Amino acid sequence: DAKTTQPPSMDCAEGRAANLPCNHSTISGNEYVYWYRQIHSQGPQYIIHGLKNNETNEMASLIITEDRKSSTLILPHATLRDTAVYYCIVRVPYSPSNTGKLIFGQGTTLQVKP
Amino acid sequence: EAQVTQNPRYLITVTGKKLTVTCSQNMNHEYMSWYRQDPGLGLRQIYYSMNVEVTDKGDVPEGYKVSRKEKRNFPLILESPSPNQTSLYFCASSSFGQSWEQYFGPGTRLTVT
Repeated sequence: DAKTTQPPSMDCAEGRAANLPCNHSTISGNEYVYWYRQIHSQGPQYIIHGLKNNETNEMASLIITEDRKSSTLILPHATLRDTAVYYCIVRVPYSPSNTGKLIFGQGTTLQVKP
Repeated sequence: EAQVTQNPRYLITVTGKKLTVTCSQNMNHEYMSWYRQDPGLGLRQIYYSMNVEVTDKGDVPEGYKVSRKEKRNFPLILESPSPNQTSLYFCASSSFGQSWEQYFGPGTRLTVT
């Protein structure tokens, strides 16, 4: 699985959009980009994933550059409850030989401030 | 509500006293996995299971056992716990859809003295 690079920390004002960047310059053609978050020692929470098209769900939007070497997770209206560590992961789709393990890097600590 | 549950959530035990941490999911997922999380080491996979009666070792299986007799349950067994197994443990499950996103339980904080 390709390696990702994220800034260690970011701040965001409550109610504003939070834009979290991720670099994955060695991503392979069949690898997906996933975002998870972990709110202080709780179980990691799946947010969104994508292959090459931009994606949106009820939690967030994912913008993937055309060359797929980087992506941005957008939380459109951040709240205090969005304060968490956000992890960007790239991985191949399911196959019988895949262990399925998620490799979490250091992630970005997002602090949403009132 | 679709969820992964773990019990107990907190446990303090002594070296050598066998314990089991239960994990159950109600989403009919084929895939289940156990991770441990330690400061500075991130999440490390202990064991995983692709389906009933199919389990395999992850990156750090020493000192742990698992079983998958039913699709919904995937207990983690520590036959003889040691202090280096003090950690935060997470169970996760997933279907084998294209996205393969994993859903995590709330965690079990284990302290072995």
